[in-house]
Amino acid sequence: EAGVAQSPRYKIIEKRQSVAFWCNPISGHATLYWYQQILGQGPKLLIQFQNNGVVDDSQLPKDRFSAERLKGVDSTLKIQPAKLEDSAVYLCASSSLWGEQYFGPGTRLTVT
Amino acid sequence: SQKIEQNSEALNIQEGKTATLTCNYTNYSPAYLQWYRQDPGRGPVFLLLIRENEKEKRKERLKVTFDTTLKQSLFHITASQPADSATYLCALGFGAGNNRKLIWGLGTSLAVNP
Repeated sequence: EAGVAQSPRYKIIEKRQSVAFWCNPISGHATLYWYQQILGQGPKLLIQFQNNGVVDDSQLPKDRFSAERLKGVDSTLKIQPAKLEDSAVYLCASSSLWGEQYFGPGTRLTVT
Repeated sequence: SQKIEQNSEALNIQEGKTATLTCNYTNYSPAYLQWYRQDPGRGPVFLLLIRENEKEKRKERLKVTFDTTLKQSLFHITASQPADSATYLCALGFGAGNNRKLIWGLGTSLAVNP
């Protein structure tokens, strides 16, 4: 089966600009996650979707970050405006019934 | 406060030896625990899941133990190989059904020397 797809793989923007990331989960996985991973740390959950509904967005900085999963399949994560501290890898994952998560390759964002 | 701690120092071992990684947690009561492998520039890859009522799980050269009294999981790689070099993440699992969630440790870097 195809894995989790993410694009772009790399993005460099200046602070105060906006950026969007795209994710297509494994077919049939109802749960989709967006994580932020800073170098040397574990993934930090930003938002969790169940189909097209939000299950948990408690750690999403809602003043600048937004995410949607309109048709319950692919999803986009947007940052507007970006700050220097948003430089990180943004990982998308989807999960099966038993809870193990399958990750995409991530998008490495550099904010200058 | 709630904490998940993995070996803070990188682990260096000789090929063929058993690598043992630890995951300790405080003030959590996870329903299950998962271990993932992460290579540089890649997303984490699922390895093993162990539930709170299970003491031990094995998969090929991998073994995981889960002690809910000690609040600790040990992850063993036997007959280690240089290809096992990676960062290993533990994640505590909560919830069931559509509301499953993971809380992640920082990871332990393992280097297996030939």
